[in-house]
Amino acid sequence: EVQLVETGGGLVQPGKSLKLTCATSGFTFSNAWMDWVRQSPEKQLEWVAQIKDKSNNYATYYAESVKGRFTISRDDSKSSVYLQMNSLKEEDTAIYYCTHGILDWGQGVMVTVSS
Amino acid sequence: DVVMTQTPVSLSVAIGQPASISCKSSQSLVGTSGKTYLNWLLQRPGQSPKRLIYLVSKLDSGIPDRFSGSGSETDFTLKISRVEADDLGVYYCLQGTHFPYTFGAGTKLELK
Repeated sequence: EVQLVETGGGLVQPGKSLKLTCATSGFTFSNAWMDWVRQSPEKQLEWVAQIKDKSNNYATYYAESVKGRFTISRDDSKSSVYLQMNSLKEEDTAIYYCTHGILDWGQGVMVTVSS
Repeated sequence: DVVMTQTPVSLSVAIGQPASISCKSSQSLVGTSGKTYLNWLLQRPGQSPKRLIYLVSKLDSGIPDRFSGSGSETDFTLKISRVEADDLGVYYCLQGTHFPYTFGAGTKLELK
């Protein structure tokens, strides 16, 4: 059974940092392209970032809204993908989902940026 | 960025009746490989999104054949031949051809 479990969310002040972790199981993680997608309080879905596999040189891609502030990374030995979020803004408030090829999704983790 | 325009915003359908959702992209979704990376997802209340269809018309495992996807280039449609209670929720189209990937705004399917 495929599982993706996100952790690391919470309430953080603007300008601060947070790191999300997505632990996975049930598929060959080392070959997987992984994405982070977020859903705003208004329910709009927004793709955030993608990291490809080793054969694609772990290439990364970002939404313009997070480029330069967020970093996606992975640890194939732990079957985990991460999202380091720096210089957080109130508009980053959302549920953050980890996905495997858009097919499999985690349950999501809430990130609230507020003073 | 590719803009995905999804219509209608909401849809009220009786059980057993058909439903149709349109998604139009601001540019062609045909990729350099010749494939069209257009997906349809359903988010039921309180749940994570779930992919139903990929590459325009391919059903994911376990998705009933009441669902079908069609279209090409910039114009796509999701059809449900006979709506069931389990189909309620918000449907999203998602293009994965061009970075950044972009979603439609969603269509809420409700029971009449």
